[in-house]
Amino acid sequence: GENVEQHPSTLSVQEGDSAVIKCTYSDSASNYFPWYKQELGKGPQLIIDIRSNVGEKKDQRIAVTLNKTAKHFSLHITETQPEDSAVYFCAARRLDFGNEKLTFGTGTRLTIIP
Amino acid sequence: DVKVTQSSRYLVKRTGEKVFLECVQDMDHENMFWYRQDPGLGLRLIYFSYDVKMKEKGDIPEGYSVSREKKERFSLILESASTNQTSMYLCASSFSAQGWDNEQFFGPGTRLTVL
Repeated sequence: GENVEQHPSTLSVQEGDSAVIKCTYSDSASNYFPWYKQELGKGPQLIIDIRSNVGEKKDQRIAVTLNKTAKHFSLHITETQPEDSAVYFCAARRLDFGNEKLTFGTGTRLTIIP
Repeated sequence: DVKVTQSSRYLVKRTGEKVFLECVQDMDHENMFWYRQDPGLGLRLIYFSYDVKMKEKGDIPEGYSVSREKKERFSLILESASTNQTSMYLCASSFSAQGWDNEQFFGPGTRLTVL
């Protein structure tokens, strides 16, 4: 089965600096890679995703990059703000008919220092 | 807005008790999931269901069972709770994507403590 590794487990950055979280996956057939953000006391929420036919995707201050050859993908947050403090999870999935299962990474606790 | 609700935010049970965790979604989603969240281990899938009365084992089904009698409701059952089942339990739901990407919507979680 798929295995997703995520690093670092904790990350502290000064407000306004950039943050990068990295994930690697094992199943070369995986072709969909979402990122979820979990704020304190809430369930995870999708913030951005990328499919394997795309190398990079941006949404305002958030971007995700994918390297299929190396089987790794990364989340980039620029101009960090206090509300970016949360736990972030990467995930991977094969978009096959009948397969709805996501495999999640172990999470990164991001702290933005004012 | 999609809403996934879980019956309890916090629950304390004794070893050996039968425990029911309830999840309800209001968006007519076909798929529903139960995850367990532990520090350093991320989210691990316990069971999921892609239709009423249908279920499939996830990665860590041992010690758990599930029930889905109605489309909007998915229950997680701990037949005989043990201390190693102390954890945060998250329910999620999604449309059936038929091979396309689809978002999973999560509830706020139930923090279960087994004494």
